[in-house]
Amino acid sequence: DIQMTQSPSFLSATVGDRVTINCKASQNINKYLNWYQQKLGEAPKRLIYNTNSLQTGIPSRFSGSGSGTDYTLTISSLQPEDVATYFCLQHNSGYTFGAGTKLELK
Amino acid sequence: EVQLVESGGGLVQPGRSLKLSCAASGFTFSNYYMAWVRQAPKKGLEWVATISTSGSRTYYPDSVKGRFTISRDNAKSSLYLQMNSLKSEDTATYYCARHGGDYWGQGVMVTVSS
Repeated sequence: DIQMTQSPSFLSATVGDRVTINCKASQNINKYLNWYQQKLGEAPKRLIYNTNSLQTGIPSRFSGSGSGTDYTLTISSLQPEDVATYFCLQHNSGYTFGAGTKLELK
Repeated sequence: EVQLVESGGGLVQPGRSLKLSCAASGFTFSNYYMAWVRQAPKKGLEWVATISTSGSRTYYPDSVKGRFTISRDNAKSSLYLQMNSLKSEDTATYYCARHGGDYWGQGVMVTVSS
């Protein structure tokens, strides 16, 4: 089974900051990596699919990159509405989620 | 508009069974693999089951294999999850999702407790 290691687990940042969240797979996942945002009491919302494709309707400040086993979600300029928990998901072989990153405003 | 609406959750005793349903609309249901994903309280997400378009192929993680059964009725655009021999660690919000994770339902809570 593929394991996903997500870091950091908690992140405190200021409005306007550049924020990065990382996921490392236990084996090559061929860019089959999605990023999700989940706000309290809501279902997860897909932000990025297949490493770097932006979901329709998602602001362009969100971007994804990576290959092989290492992947990154970047928020170029943090906004107050970005406060949420972020998860990665590999779907190369079954589904495995990262443990999540809770993003708060400093 | 794509909609996925789960139902059937509730409080159930350990060892008992429960069946969840997911009503899909706004897309051609029979063209998509579908999945169930769960989230224990204040925990991360865990994939529970996936089913092929025809229903002929199903996939499960070891944590639920042999206890949970995913099925579908393409004529009714509905997805199901039969959960047997429930354990306290199955307590979670259960989401149905389209394969690839682009659309999710709002989730339904299952609590396994005596």
